[in-house]
Amino acid sequence: DTAVSQTPKYLVTQMGNDKSIKCEQNLGHDTMYWYKQDSKKFLKIMFSYNNKELIINETVPNRFSPKSPDKAHLNLHINSLELGDSAVYFCASSQEGLAGLEQYFGPGTRLTVT
Amino acid sequence: GQSLEQPSEVTAVEGAIVQINCTYQTSGFYGLSWYQQHDGGAPTFLSYNALDGLEETGRFSSFLSRSDSYGYLLLQELQMKDSASYFCAALNSGGYQKVTFGTGTKLQVIP
Repeated sequence: DTAVSQTPKYLVTQMGNDKSIKCEQNLGHDTMYWYKQDSKKFLKIMFSYNNKELIINETVPNRFSPKSPDKAHLNLHINSLELGDSAVYFCASSQEGLAGLEQYFGPGTRLTVT
Repeated sequence: GQSLEQPSEVTAVEGAIVQINCTYQTSGFYGLSWYQQHDGGAPTFLSYNALDGLEETGRFSSFLSRSDSYGYLLLQELQMKDSASYFCAALNSGGYQKVTFGTGTKLQVIP
């Protein structure tokens, strides 16, 4: 199946730990994204990345870092987890340019920090 | 900064038509998208407008007016399964492929 996939689906961890979320897309898209959705359902872009440029949302703490081994993968690494990091994290992908208007999302990773 | 405002909740009757509005304030605006998200699910792409006017995709249509900084999603022949949250999202030039999502509208379809 062509899709955007994420692992794990659920992640429960303690404050101060480091964790990673993996994302893969087999849609042949050039651009990938990470979003954070908080408890109020507000979706906020964290990063967008293609083989040319990484754009970091200036409000994202530097504890968050995207890592892309290749065009089809964009993983999210989080250092020193905090309670406020608890949220659902979505990976998405699209083609470049105006095709960024049509994004395809992964199933999400629900992160709970205790 | 960038902002997109939507009504927080809308209730409509099964079989009816509902319009969900989105007003935006962004710079370097490229276009407006619409996404559906069921509780516990992921956002799913519905439609987008890069130009002014109406785009129709089955029961869903989306409209954009750049001069008014306004768009809407129109859902016709409402079904119970349309109960979900709906988000508008603006693509703009504030960095490579910068996307800003609206505040979201929770649609409840009642019998």
